[in-house]
Amino acid sequence: EDQVTQSPEALRLQEGESSSLNCSYTVSGLRGLFWYRQDPGKGPEFLFTLYSAGEEKEKERLKATLTKKESFLHITAPKPEDSATYLCAVQFSNDYKLSFGAGTTVTVRA
Amino acid sequence: DAGITQSPRHKVTETGTPVTLRCHQTENHRYMYWYRQDPGHGLRLIHYSYGVKDTDKGEVSDGYSVSRSKTEDFLLTLESATSSQTSVYFCAISESPGTGELFFGEGSRLTVL
Repeated sequence: EDQVTQSPEALRLQEGESSSLNCSYTVSGLRGLFWYRQDPGKGPEFLFTLYSAGEEKEKERLKATLTKKESFLHITAPKPEDSATYLCAVQFSNDYKLSFGAGTTVTVRA
Repeated sequence: DAGITQSPRHKVTETGTPVTLRCHQTENHRYMYWYRQDPGHGLRLIHYSYGVKDTDKGEVSDGYSVSRSKTEDFLLTLESATSSQTSVYFCAISESPGTGELFFGEGSRLTVL
């Protein structure tokens, strides 16, 4: 069965302390992998699309990378405003629907 | 910000009562989706629509129905609410499902007592 797993569930960082979030997937064929950010009480907001292994995308302090079985979201020198839940979603090659992971909640302390 | 409005934003109801959640968009996007979000489960697709009067089931559709009579409105109905349907419900829209880029509403928190 196709699955999307995110780790860790929660991550507490000091301001400036870089770290990475993981999204692993078991899928027979990948059409695309997507990262979203969700603030408390809000809907998710789209961040990145990755389509093939080796691809990288960057936005401010965030960089997303993709391998054949997982994706990483690197947060470089985070600030308190980077605190949010980060969701990854996978689109399988035989379907356009997205399967979401449970998310990683990042808290950045000043 | 994408023009997506969900109503009501909060609702408390009792088991066995019908509930309708409304999603209204001003973007004229063809595709609309209803998701539920529960701790530990992430977002799960309930139903989606690919045009007026064109809808299909998602992975957790039991106990839910939808309707789309106009491009801008997508309604989610719980015919007889149960406590297991207590959740936060999100509507999303997209121009094309192939991009994976969805625009989400702010969510509707439903509590079924």
